[in-house]
Amino acid sequence: EAGVAQSPRYKIIEKRQSVAFWCNPISGHATLYWYQQILGQGPKLLIQFQNNGVVDDSQLPKDRFSAERLKGVDSTLKIQPAKLEDSAVYLCASTKSWGSFNEQFFGPGTRLTVL
Amino acid sequence: DAKTTQPNSMESNEEEPVHLPCNHSTISGTDYIHWYRQLPSQGPEYVIHGLTSNVNNRMASLAIAEDRKSSTLILHRATLRDAAVYYCILEGGANSKLTFGKGITLSVRP
Repeated sequence: EAGVAQSPRYKIIEKRQSVAFWCNPISGHATLYWYQQILGQGPKLLIQFQNNGVVDDSQLPKDRFSAERLKGVDSTLKIQPAKLEDSAVYLCASTKSWGSFNEQFFGPGTRLTVL
Repeated sequence: DAKTTQPNSMESNEEEPVHLPCNHSTISGTDYIHWYRQLPSQGPEYVIHGLTSNVNNRMASLAIAEDRKSSTLILHRATLRDAAVYYCILEGGANSKLTFGKGITLSVRP
């Protein structure tokens, strides 16, 4: 079974530029998560999708971050414009369903550096 | 979300057992205890979870105190590949939301 795929693996941009990350979850997984992990800290949930609907985006900085999951499969996370404090690893995870225990499977992450 | 407390770091020797503690004194009756680990330069991976009874799987064992205010992740024979950050997480809602803390960094000496 293929794991969660993310691209790119690394991205370096200047502040105020825009950037987008892509995630392809495990086939058949209805729930998709985006996390932000700043160096030395645990991952912080940004947004959770159930199929193509948003379940929780309470910690997503909506003035600059946006995410979508068209057709309930792939997802993109965008930052526009980026700030220095956005430097972090962005992790995508997926689970089979929502509402009962399901192991979260994480991708390798995209490391973003904002200069 | 109920909070967990873990030591910052722990060292162990290869092929010896490792006990990673976690305190969760404000745990509620419906909170599950989850453990994930994160190897260097990788995303986290699931290790084990439990509610009240001790649990065993191929990776580890989870020992849960009778009052559920603490738990211990047990790696029976540490290998170099077990060096990672281990996160103890409480999850009680129906939305499978995980709130990660800083975790405990495990180092394994050869």
